[in-house]
Amino acid sequence: DGGITQSPKYLFRKEGQNVTLSCEQNLNHDAMYWYRQDPGQGLRLIYYSQIVNDFQKGDIAEGYSVSREKKESFPLTVTSAQKNPTAFYLCASSAGPRETQYFGPGTRLLVL
Amino acid sequence: AQSVAQPEDQVNVAEGNPLTVKCTYSVSGNPYLFWYVQYPNRGLQFLLKYITGDNLVKGSYGFEAEFNKSQTSFHLKKPSALVSDSALYFCAVRPPGGGYNKLIFGAGTRLAVHP
Repeated sequence: DGGITQSPKYLFRKEGQNVTLSCEQNLNHDAMYWYRQDPGQGLRLIYYSQIVNDFQKGDIAEGYSVSREKKESFPLTVTSAQKNPTAFYLCASSAGPRETQYFGPGTRLLVL
Repeated sequence: AQSVAQPEDQVNVAEGNPLTVKCTYSVSGNPYLFWYVQYPNRGLQFLLKYITGDNLVKGSYGFEAEFNKSQTSFHLKKPSALVSDSALYFCAVRPPGGGYNKLIFGAGTRLAVHP
């Protein structure tokens, strides 16, 4: 996991609430990614950012939002529009657009 | 459609025996190929990757993977399994070209190594 931190480890969301997941990296990587993991499925890409102040939707962006104001930080907000948010969320980073992605330890989001 | 298949949900191996975790892909061109491992409630750890060159790639923790272009496969192997190898293994493919570092993941294979 080293070099990429995610917080909190567990997060509980109430109905209608927006919650924000933190991802920080000290690897000086340009690119960062957010994935969602559901049981029995591979990882699915939510959003990615190749450079500061730029980000793009992935395969399942609906109900999520991100920002990339600093190179080391890429927070993910799960909005109330995401009707099935319960999942394990993984942040990743890579040195460049064609380099190996390295993952953080993940945040498990649960709905109350 | 581009896809990655891991045909076995679970692989059971006795400690000390060789292990193989299978991966096949459906991607045109020459993709990059990756293996990651995930321990319970943890992130994915990078094991190894194939870009070009020798078809046998060596990675972390004694793992290796064999690339077979004609069979579009990238099977993960280890000569002697350890109980501590028990985890969830993901194969991933990066299609050639494209504007960003898109990875397509398989659904994962759970490896159980028994003492």
